[in-house]
Amino acid sequence: DGGITQSPKYLFRKEGQNVTLSCEQNLNHDAMYWYRQDPGQGLRLIYYSQIVNDFQKGDIAEGYSVSREKKESFPLTVTSAQKNPTAFYLCASSVQGNGELFFGEGSRLTVL
Amino acid sequence: AQSVTQPDIHITVSEGASLELRCNYSYGATPYLFWYVQSPGQGLQLLLKYFSGDTLVQGIKGFEAEFKRSQSSFNLRKPSVHWSDAAEYFCVGSQGNLIFGKGTKLSVKP
Repeated sequence: DGGITQSPKYLFRKEGQNVTLSCEQNLNHDAMYWYRQDPGQGLRLIYYSQIVNDFQKGDIAEGYSVSREKKESFPLTVTSAQKNPTAFYLCASSVQGNGELFFGEGSRLTVL
Repeated sequence: AQSVTQPDIHITVSEGASLELRCNYSYGATPYLFWYVQSPGQGLQLLLKYFSGDTLVQGIKGFEAEFKRSQSSFNLRKPSVHWSDAAEYFCVGSQGNLIFGKGTKLSVKP
């Protein structure tokens, strides 16, 4: 079945550590996105990529980094520079241009 | 500025009652419009979408939405709510970039 796979589902890290969240899709979609979700704030865009080897900052990119070396993969690194990293992170993909997103199941990051 | 507004943060309805979730948009031209549903701890699932044409859009799980240009609205409806509909619902607009509403949490009373 085609879809988006995020891992790990739950992740704990100590302050000062970097952590990488995985996102893989087999939908052959060009565009991929990372969102952060906090209670009462909806979804906020961190980074997006419309093509391999290219990505753009979203609304809250500070303290995060991404790469897009393969069409099917778009990992997100939460760096130690992110002041409040505890959140639910969602990866999504779409066919270029129409805005219809397909989401993964999410990764919940807790900083101890 | 472009925006998508969901005026209701939390709604409670009784099982079997009808449901309407409100969504208003502000764009220069008519955007693509979407409704997504999110169960706790899960990703978002597309319920329905409006690109153009018929203003009444049918979706999955018995949901429908009506696009009203004069009111800049795209409200989600369901004639009879089931307990499994309890979730958070997001209205999304797209005109190049995607804009999410803040979401409406739906609780269902037995």
